[in-house]
Amino acid sequence: GAVVSQHPSWVICKSGTSVKIECRSLDFQATTMFWYRQFPKQSLMLMATSNEGSKATYEQGVEKDKFLINHASLTLSTLTVTSAHPEDSSFYICSARDLAGKAYNEQFFGPGTRLTVL
Amino acid sequence: GEDVEQSLFLSVREGDSSVINCTYTDSSSTYLYWYKQEPGAGLQLLTYIFSNMDMKQDQRLTVLLNKKDKHLSLRIADTQTGDSAIYFCAERDDKIIFGKGTRLHILP
Repeated sequence: GAVVSQHPSWVICKSGTSVKIECRSLDFQATTMFWYRQFPKQSLMLMATSNEGSKATYEQGVEKDKFLINHASLTLSTLTVTSAHPEDSSFYICSARDLAGKAYNEQFFGPGTRLTVL
Repeated sequence: GEDVEQSLFLSVREGDSSVINCTYTDSSSTYLYWYKQEPGAGLQLLTYIFSNMDMKQDQRLTVLLNKKDKHLSLRIADTQTGDSAIYFCAERDDKIIFGKGTRLHILP
């Protein structure tokens, strides 16, 4: 099946620094990638939809200047958490929609990146 | 707005059937999904159902959809310890909306 990878799998950073998370579709092309945030024992909250070659679409309440998304190619999207603070600590999960388009338009999920901001 | 609700916890004895229920609000959902998440891992698609279907069976998994009541259920037959995880119900129109997840606990 289709594989989505994320790097790093976990990261610890100091408050005020920026952290970049990569999401790659390994064996398929994805024009659309999604970034989710998951707090402990909570659901996945969609943060933004990333389209290759264009600006990301952010969900209401998500600060676009804080969570910078770049989707430079059909296999790579990056999320940069700028000036991270402890409240940004969370599990960030990306997913990618296969360009080949199965009928049910499955999104394939990455394994997630756990961010801890000290 | 769109909303997906499911109970947060279910405890089942090994070998019994597990039934996880979900309700959703968006009547224009085209697909409904069940995802499984094991501790510290991403989501794994278990099964999906198209909105014009009533039932789908896949080995130990049975999905029932009542579109009129906007109710979706997942039945896991012969529940095993490896089924212990969080199960997310999700609906999709233009984007996927997830429920909060049901934590399935298996009793010996």
